[in-house]
Amino acid sequence: DGGITQSPKYLFRKEGQNVTLSCEQNLNHDAMYWYRQDPGQGLRLIYYSQIVNDFQKGDIAEGYSVSREKKESFPLTVTSAQKNPTAFYLCATRTSGRTGELFFGEGSRLTVL
Amino acid sequence: QQQVKQSPQSLIVQKGGISIINCAYENTAFDYFPWYQQFPGKGPALLIAIRPDVSEKKEGRFTISFNKSAKQFSLHIMDSQPGDSATYFCAATPGTGKLIFGQGTTLQVKP
Repeated sequence: DGGITQSPKYLFRKEGQNVTLSCEQNLNHDAMYWYRQDPGQGLRLIYYSQIVNDFQKGDIAEGYSVSREKKESFPLTVTSAQKNPTAFYLCATRTSGRTGELFFGEGSRLTVL
Repeated sequence: QQQVKQSPQSLIVQKGGISIINCAYENTAFDYFPWYQQFPGKGPALLIAIRPDVSEKKEGRFTISFNKSAKQFSLHIMDSQPGDSATYFCAATPGTGKLIFGQGTTLQVKP
């Protein structure tokens, strides 16, 4: 089946630890995105990548890092520098064109204890 | 100027009623306005979208109304059903690949 797979679905982490969230897609889309969702704040863009080996910071990139070594994969690392990491993280891909549609994965919920 | 402001934050509607969610923007470079629907525990999915060269777009029970001069657009859900209970996000983009989302509206449709 074509789609976006995010893992893990739930993750608990102690303060001071880095954690990596996985995002894999088989839709053959060039563009991939990471959003953070918090209640009442909508979806905020962390990082995005329009092509392999290239990525740009979004609106809230501080404390996060990404890589794009393969078209299918766009992992997000939440570092210990992120002050408030507890959130729901969504990975998305986008079809080509100026008004391409975003397709989202089912998300990863990170809780920092 | 990059913001999209969405209201209300939450909405309760009786079955069969009309649900209305409003969004406003400042950036006149925005030229594509989608709405996404998200069920609990799932990622959002595209519901309906509009470009500013039309004032209204209808798909089934869902209608987007667009007012370019006021820089506002809204989602109307006619004959609302309990299965429509979800969080709805408006969004806008200037076509750069970055989509700016509103804050979201949680809709509850009571049977």
